[in-house]
Amino acid sequence: GAVVSQHPSRVICKSGTSVKIECRSLDFQATTMFWYRQFPKQSLMLMATSNEGSKATYEQGVEKDKFLINHASLTLSTLTVTSAHPEDSSFYICSAKGTGLDEKLFFGSGTQLSVL
Amino acid sequence: QQQVKQSPQSLIVQKGGISIINCAYENTAFDYFPWYQQFPGKGPALLIAIRPDVSEKKEGRFTISFNKSAKQFSLHIMDSQPGDSATYFCAASMRTGRRALTFGSGTRLQVQP
Repeated sequence: GAVVSQHPSRVICKSGTSVKIECRSLDFQATTMFWYRQFPKQSLMLMATSNEGSKATYEQGVEKDKFLINHASLTLSTLTVTSAHPEDSSFYICSAKGTGLDEKLFFGSGTQLSVL
Repeated sequence: QQQVKQSPQSLIVQKGGISIINCAYENTAFDYFPWYQQFPGKGPALLIAIRPDVSEKKEGRFTISFNKSAKQFSLHIMDSQPGDSATYFCAASMRTGRRALTFGSGTRLQVQP
C-alpha cells in the first residue's frame, strides 16, 4: 500500500512551547490529509481535514489557533501544537488520501506528544 | 460526527479459533466500511474494506460480512493467531464530501497460544 511518513514518532516538550509534526505521503500525491488524536485505550477522533492549498476544516471543539495545520504541498502537511499544555499530551496520527487510490486512507505511524 | 458503534470492547480467543467483532452505523450515507488493525504505539493499518453493494468480502483469514438493511457489519478472523493480538477498529465514511473516517470505539483482541 501507499506509504505515509510521520515525524517525529515521539516528542517531549515543556509546557508553553510549540511542537511541529510532519506528515508526508512518500509515493503518492495526497489531495486530502486528516489529523486524528487518540488518547490511551480510546478511539481515533478527527481533529481537522486539510486540502492542499486551502485552509483546514476543524471539527467542533478543536481550537484552530492552538492546532495549526498547513498543507502547503501535495505531499506534506504539518500540525503545530502551539503553547502546548499537559492536557495536549496525546497520540497524534495523520492520514492521507490520494488521487487514484479510491477511498483508501493510509495512516502515518503516529506521534506521541508528552507535555511536561 | 456520525456514530459507529463497535462491540465487544475486548475479546479473548484461543489460538486457531474465530474472532468476531461487530459494528453498527446510523448514517445511511456511509458507503465505505474499512477495518483497521492497530498495534501499541503505531498508526492503524488497513486490513480489509467493503462497499455496501456486496454482502461479504474475504481476504485471506479476514472476512467482512455486511448487512445493509440492518446497518451492521462484522469482521471475522479465522484461525486466529497470537500475532493477531491487537486493537481492531471498524470505520465508515462517505465517498462524496469530506470523506473523513468515523471510527468505532475499538476492540482489544487477545489470542492465547
